[in-house]
Amino acid sequence: DGGITQSPKYLFRKEGQNVTLSCEQNLNHDAMYWYRQDPGQGLRLIYYSQIVNDFQKGDIAEGYSVSREKKESFPLTVTSAQKNPTAFYLCASNLGGLSNQPQHFGDGTRLSIL
Amino acid sequence: ILNVEQSPQSLHVQEGDSTNFTCSFPSSNFYALHWYRWETAKSPEALFVMTLNGDEKKKGRISATLNTKEGYSYLYIKGSQPEDSATYLCAHMNYGGSQGNLIFGKGTKLSVKP
Repeated sequence: DGGITQSPKYLFRKEGQNVTLSCEQNLNHDAMYWYRQDPGQGLRLIYYSQIVNDFQKGDIAEGYSVSREKKESFPLTVTSAQKNPTAFYLCASNLGGLSNQPQHFGDGTRLSIL
Repeated sequence: ILNVEQSPQSLHVQEGDSTNFTCSFPSSNFYALHWYRWETAKSPEALFVMTLNGDEKKKGRISATLNTKEGYSYLYIKGSQPEDSATYLCAHMNYGGSQGNLIFGKGTKLSVKP
């Protein structure tokens, strides 16, 4: 079935450690997005990529990094510079640009600090 | 309005009640308004993408309207059922800023009691 797969479902990070969240899609979508959700807040955009080998910072990119080497994959690294990484992370994809198509979401990764 | 605002924040209704929520968004440079349903332990699922002023869309017992001139959209659920319990998110896309990116509201959490 076509969809977006995020892994792992739960992730624990030690102080000073970088961790990478995986996002893979087989929908042949050009655009991919990473969001963060905190209690009582809406989804906030971390990074997005409209095409392979290109990505842009969203509203809260500090302390995060991404890569887009393949169309299907958009991994997110939470670096040690992100001082408050505990949150729920959602990956999404769609056709990109000013499209009337909705975004398709993964099931999310919950990141906690040990 | 600079951000996307949703009201109420939460809503508790009895099975069979009809209900509605509001999404307010900036009316300038409007391109599209998205509605998503997010059930607990699942990924957000697209309900509607609306682009034209006066648009009305329907999916079963759920319908939505759009007023781009005044910057609001209503989501209606007729005869609520327990399976309608979820958080309903709206998201706005405009021509300005980063094209193709969505700005999300905080959501309305609906609980339907049997």
